[in-house]
Amino acid sequence: GAVVSQHPSRVICKSGTSVKIECRSLDFQATTMFWYRQFPKKSLMLMATSNEGSKATYEQGVEKDKFLINHASLTLSTLTVTSAHPEDSSFYICSARGGGNEGYTFGSGTRLTVV
Amino acid sequence: SQKIEQNSEALNIQEGKTATLTCNYTNYSPAYLQWYRQDPGRGPVFLLLIRENEKEKRKERLKVTFDTTLKQSLFHITASQPADSATYLCAASTGFQKLVFGTGTRLLVSP
Repeated sequence: GAVVSQHPSRVICKSGTSVKIECRSLDFQATTMFWYRQFPKKSLMLMATSNEGSKATYEQGVEKDKFLINHASLTLSTLTVTSAHPEDSSFYICSARGGGNEGYTFGSGTRLTVV
Repeated sequence: SQKIEQNSEALNIQEGKTATLTCNYTNYSPAYLQWYRQDPGRGPVFLLLIRENEKEKRKERLKVTFDTTLKQSLFHITASQPADSATYLCAASTGFQKLVFGTGTRLLVSP
C-alpha cells in the first residue's frame, strides 16, 4: 500500500535554531501534502496544505514565515520550523492521498523538542 | 465554525465485545467521513471511508455508518481484541482536500 516516509522521527534543538522535517511519498506522486500539528492528548490541527510547484496554503493563525513549507517535487515536501522556541515543541505529522489508498496516508510523525 | 466531536474521550470494554464509537458533526455537511487509528507516538492509519450517500460500510471486523439526519457516524469493532486498543479518530471533509479531525476516543480492550 501507499507509504509516506517522514524524517526525522525525533529531534531536539536549541531555542533560536531552525529544524527541517521531510515528508516523502514512496511509490506514488503527491501533488498535495498536508502538515498537521498535534499536542498531547489532542487532535490533529491542520497547519498548511503543501502544493507541488506553488506556494503553500496556510490555515488561519499559522505564521507562514515561522513554518516554511517547500514542495519542490512530486514526492517531497519539507517543513522548516524557523527560530524555534519551546512553545513550538509538538508532534508534527504530514499526510498525502494517493497510491491506491482510499483515505489519506500519514507519515510516522516527528517529535520536536525545543530546549 | 465546523466542529467534529467524539463525545467519549475513553472507552473501556472486555475482549470479545463490540466497541461502538461515536462521531458527531455540527455547522458542517461533509461529503466524506473517515476513521483512523492512532497508536502512541505514531501517525494515524486509515481504516475506513464512508460517503454521504452510503449508509453503512464494512471491512473485516469494522463497520461504519453515516447518518446525515442525525449528523453522526458510528464506528463499530466487533469481537474486539486487546490489540485493538488505540486512539480512534474521526475525520470529515467536503472533498478530497483538508480533513477536519475529531478529538479522538481512546479505546482500551481488556483481556
